[in-house]
Amino acid sequence: EAQVTQNPRYLITVTGKKLTVTCSQNMNHEYMSWYRQDPGLGLRQIYYSMNVEVTDKGDVPEGYKVSRKEKRNFPLILESPSPNQTSLYFCASGWGSDYEQYFGPGTRLTVT
Amino acid sequence: KQEVTQIPAALSVPEGENLVLNCSFTDSAIYNLQWFRQDPGKGLTSLLLIQSSQREQTSGRLNASLDKSSGRSTLYIAASQPGDSATYLCAVGGYSGFQKLVFGTGTRLLVSP
Repeated sequence: EAQVTQNPRYLITVTGKKLTVTCSQNMNHEYMSWYRQDPGLGLRQIYYSMNVEVTDKGDVPEGYKVSRKEKRNFPLILESPSPNQTSLYFCASGWGSDYEQYFGPGTRLTVT
Repeated sequence: KQEVTQIPAALSVPEGENLVLNCSFTDSAIYNLQWFRQDPGKGLTSLLLIQSSQREQTSGRLNASLDKSSGRSTLYIAASQPGDSATYLCAVGGYSGFQKLVFGTGTRLLVSP
């Protein structure tokens, strides 16, 4: 089944404790991206990657890191999480000139 | 800067009604527009993708139209069903960075039996 998977789905952590949210897609998509969703603000792009080893900032990159060492994986790293990073995070992937994007199930992160 | 607005924020209708969800955007120079459905606890499901050169797309009971000049898109749902209850999101991709989608805040739809 073609899909985008994220792990973990739910995470509660404390301020300053490094964490990684994994994202993997099995559709051989070149493009991958991370969004966060907050009430009243909608989804906003954090980082995106057009291909392996090519990443760039989205609208809200502060406090996040990403890497794209393999085509299928695009982990999101929070080196020192803070409470304002409490949010619902989505990974997405896409391919082709129309760039239709497919989204993962989301990771709900709470930072206390 | 592109801004996307969806009205209404919430909508409640009885089963069987035809309904229209609205999406407006401020910059008409878009690459494409995508409609998504979001269910609680689940991710986003792509419903329809309209390229900038297209006027509409149809999938089953869904029909999405695009009017770039006026900065508007509508999602028409025919013969609504309780299973259509969800939040519907509109997102536009711009030429300056078509890989980035700018989302509206969504319309929460409730279809009552």
